[in-house]
Amino acid sequence: RKEVEQDPGPFNVPEGATVAFNCTYSNSASQSFFWYRQDCRKEPKLLMSVYSSGNEDGRFTAQLNRASQYISLLIRDSKLSDSATYLCVVNRAGNMLTFGGGTRLMVKP
Amino acid sequence: NAGVTQTPKFQVLKTGQSMTLQCAQDMNHNSMYWYRQDPGMGLRLIYYSASEGTTDKGEVPNGYNVSRLNKREFSLRLESAAPSQTSVYFCASRPSGPYEQYFGPGTRLTVT
Repeated sequence: RKEVEQDPGPFNVPEGATVAFNCTYSNSASQSFFWYRQDCRKEPKLLMSVYSSGNEDGRFTAQLNRASQYISLLIRDSKLSDSATYLCVVNRAGNMLTFGGGTRLMVKP
Repeated sequence: NAGVTQTPKFQVLKTGQSMTLQCAQDMNHNSMYWYRQDPGMGLRLIYYSASEGTTDKGEVPNGYNVSRLNKREFSLRLESAAPSQTSVYFCASRPSGPYEQYFGPGTRLTVT
């Protein structure tokens, strides 16, 4: 079993739709969590950190469920510019981050 | 503030040739990392350096060597390139603590 698992998609949604991605992690000792965005042929960039109480940044909401060991990302009012691959990232203690394989989102006009 | 820089951006090698990928960061981060990313696959850690003077193997270290030259610079060397090393290579850095990583723009390497 992979340490961090994501549905690869693609998720094809119309503009204005709400879309949610989940990510599961296997190591219960994981301590910090992030969502990154990666555009085609570009480097990953931090979208948002994920806090235990859940957090929101504009149209984006991240949730953490430690009991079930999953993280979610909700995107409201999807824009064409949201089309990208979203990477779930988990940190155990120490310096290592583990990346999921990514979920591809395509927003259509 | 340039963040993380990588050189070169593109490289084509013949099988058996050697080369070094350069990475530098100006954010005073302790930890630095080298990843490879293949089509349809996630990022796989090659090597990392938790601090100046230390390096450790990641998930896929075979065929690579690294040098943490100083706090700013972390290089990746391919001694004898193979077609299986055709990939996009990303360098990243991270401050101490539970923080995110910052990535460089990547090096696209093709080995023929």
